[in-house]
Amino acid sequence: QSALTQPASVSGSPGQSITISCTGTNSDIGKYDLVSWYQQLPGKTPKLIIYEVTKRYFGVSNRFSGSKSANTASLTISGLQTEDEADYYCCSFGLATTFVFGTGTKVTVL
Amino acid sequence: QVQVVESGGGLVKPGGSLRLSCAASGFRVTDDYMNWIRQSPGKGLEWLAYISGSSDFATYADSVRGRFTISRDNADNSVSLEMTGLTVEDTAVYYCARGDYRFDPWGQGTSVAVSS
Repeated sequence: QSALTQPASVSGSPGQSITISCTGTNSDIGKYDLVSWYQQLPGKTPKLIIYEVTKRYFGVSNRFSGSKSANTASLTISGLQTEDEADYYCCSFGLATTFVFGTGTKVTVL
Repeated sequence: QVQVVESGGGLVKPGGSLRLSCAASGFRVTDDYMNWIRQSPGKGLEWLAYISGSSDFATYADSVRGRFTISRDNADNSVSLEMTGLTVEDTAVYYCARGDYRFDPWGQGTSVAVSS
């Protein structure tokens, strides 16, 4: 199964909103509401921030939100802060009961 | 505190084998699915395998199916990943993570380097 497609990088100024897209197929994102998002701060382990497309994990800021339309899931970060600089990965349940991650997006706060 | 700790990484020659372990604390590995995920140097995340907590049902990514085997030790409250036929493309940090449709927590990872 091929990796889900994410933009390599997204940037924004403090306070702005940015959206990261995650494009799959009708065998993964399009078929299941089982998309999760992970934040990986520099040199750190990935952390779960969104699961089942829209649900924020415990303790995650409400500045993070998830959505899905057809074969594309999205992560929106509103009120961008310097601490949001990290790599972000989407993940979806899919073909033959396996999972597939996205290619990853580096978020830069200008 | 719910956490997982990986161990067993190291340097191995191409064609060699290695067994990784993941010790769970704060929960029982029989309570949930357990996954192995890796990250090659400077690259993205790749899901590898999971095993059910209530049975021996396991699924693998195409890239490792037939070479890697995930297993669970209920008495030791741990899961393992037996890796055979290793190639340089298997060089990565290997993470263990709990969860069925969401992965949390993750361990700190254990590094595997495949080189002659």
